[in-house]
Amino acid sequence: EPEVTQTPSHQVTQMGQEVILRCVPISNHLYFYWYRQILGQKVEFLVSFYNNEISEKSEIFDDQFSVERPDGSNFTLKIRSTKLEDSAMYFCASIKIQGGNTGELFFGEGSRLTVL
Amino acid sequence: DAKTTQPPSMDCAEGRAANLPCNHSTISGNEYVYWYRQIHSQGPQYIIHGLKNNETNEMASLIITEDRKSSTLILPHATLRDTAVYYCIVAPGNQAGTALIFGKGTTLSVSS
Repeated sequence: EPEVTQTPSHQVTQMGQEVILRCVPISNHLYFYWYRQILGQKVEFLVSFYNNEISEKSEIFDDQFSVERPDGSNFTLKIRSTKLEDSAMYFCASIKIQGGNTGELFFGEGSRLTVL
Repeated sequence: DAKTTQPPSMDCAEGRAANLPCNHSTISGNEYVYWYRQIHSQGPQYIIHGLKNNETNEMASLIITEDRKSSTLILPHATLRDTAVYYCIVAPGNQAGTALIFGKGTTLSVSS
């Protein structure tokens, strides 16, 4: 069964460093998302992306964050200068549109980011 | 903020049906009811969705009241592996890119 894959599974970084989290969405999916979950808290929406543009973003997704689809398969989340409060599990998700309901997201297993 | 209300926790005996309620009294006409679950710290997993009719798939059944202000997710024969946080979400079903807003969900504990 096709799945969303994310790398790395765990990354430890120093405060102020740049981090790139990578996702490979399911191949025929067209919309992509990033969510995050701080330990013990809710799953929070960050951004959605379609056709090389941000479709929607939350208040959390400030200028420190950016997303990119650099090639036909990868979808990345970049945090320019990490802060302690960026420590969280980051989930990538994707949906297909044709023939699918737009609320049926397929999530990856997440990338755990620890900022020291 | 999430537009749904769920009990924070529920218990269920293995092999019994788990009935998870959700209130969504402000649901709009074009909004669907979606259920997801999250096992430990894994990525959320889609379970089922519905608009106004009851739905069933290989994982669960979804019962939506006639006024659509509440729904119940039914796991017919709960197993230990069904222990998870279950999220009820309302959102449009035809607006790709619209954020799904997760609340705190219901923590279901299945015990033997």
